This record gives sequence, C-alpha cells and structure tokens, in this order.
Amino acid sequence: DTAVSQTPKYLVTQMGNDKSIKCEQNLGHDTMYWYKQDSKKFLKIMFSYNNKELIINETVPNRFSPKSPDKAHLNLHINSLELGDSAVYFCASSQDKGRGYRGAFFGQGTRLTVV
Amino acid sequence: GNSVTQMEGPVTLSEEAFLTINCTYTATGYPSLFWYVQYPGEGLQLLLKATKADDKGSNKGFEATYRKETTSFHLEKGSVQVSDSAVYFCALSGNQLTFGKGTKLSVIP
Repeated sequence: DTAVSQTPKYLVTQMGNDKSIKCEQNLGHDTMYWYKQDSKKFLKIMFSYNNKELIINETVPNRFSPKSPDKAHLNLHINSLELGDSAVYFCASSQDKGRGYRGAFFGQGTRLTVV
Repeated sequence: GNSVTQMEGPVTLSEEAFLTINCTYTATGYPSLFWYVQYPGEGLQLLLKATKADDKGSNKGFEATYRKETTSFHLEKGSVQVSDSAVYFCALSGNQLTFGKGTKLSVIP
C-alpha cells in the first residue's frame, strides 16, 4: 500500500550508460515531480507533470527525459550518464496543479552512483 | 523568485532539550509553508504545514507558526528525543515546492 514507490532503490552504473528510474503513485494525485538531492542534501526540482503534461522543466541537461504514460506514473530516463549525475533522485506527487500548497508525498529515493 | 533560508546545521542537542530551527522565506503572493523531515536513508515526509498567516502547524510535538510580518516559519519542539535525529527541510509553495538547504539534527542520549 505504498503511496509513492520508486524503483530501483539503488543504481550503480558506468559512465556513458543509459538508465531509467520508475515512479508510481497510488494516491490519485494529478501532479508528479522529480527532485535531485545532492551530497549536501540540497533538493532541486527537475520536472513537474500535471495530468501527463510537462509544466515545469528546470534547467537540467537534455540527457534527462521524463516520461509520463499516465497520471499515476512518471519515469525518468537518463542518457550518457556522467559522474556528476551521482545523487539521490526523489519522485513526489501532490493533488494540485503544480502547487505544493497541500503538501507533496515523496518516494523513498533512488541512489544513483555513476562510476 | 521564491526562496527559503534555514539556519545552518548541524545542530546537536541532548535528549529533552528545546529545539528551534529557524526558517525565513521570500515569496510573492501568499504561499503555503511546510516542514519536511528526512530520516537517514529514507525519503521526505511531510511533518507539518500552514496555509495562511498566523496558522500554526503541529505534529508529533513539533510546531511552527506562519508569521507574515517577519516572513518566518520557525520549527520548535519542547523536548527532543533521540528518534528525532534527522534532516529537517523548510519549504514553501508556489508553482513548485521550494526547499531550504536542510538542517541536520542529532539528538544524543
């Protein structure tokens, strides 16, 4: 009965590879997000989708591409991985159109390590 | 644009001590304000929230009051426990959630 679930929890891969992180929410929320947390715990939003439409696309390399097949899923695909992509990536969802005013629910995170 | 400033950590307290983590914000309009907590190895959990001026959010003994005049939302707890050791994030809503840099709290027995 997990509200927001991400897979995998850990991902170790070599530079140059392509990888995907999957996210699913069973809360019926209309907005989903991807956040990146660096080694100093700083959280930065990457993308936000509302009802399968991209509404926020912060300045991230175009090697990162989100895909939302339906409003319960928001996957993150990363091409040509670089060392600097190593971080923890969090998926989140909320019931509002791009506003967090009711609070967002977060997944457990995916710790990506690029070697 | 919107921004959140939290006190720098880490903060180390003895069990049963009083906790304050300062948070101030800059925003246009009337955002909602939040505190999230991240326990080691876990994702973020919503701790409490306030949606308008003078609202007080509270949960698990933690409290924070939305102060528009001082643009602040300081987190307080009267008596911390070892299990409160975590990283605490202040956040505000706009088109997206904007987070502070987080404050690591360690509570020692």
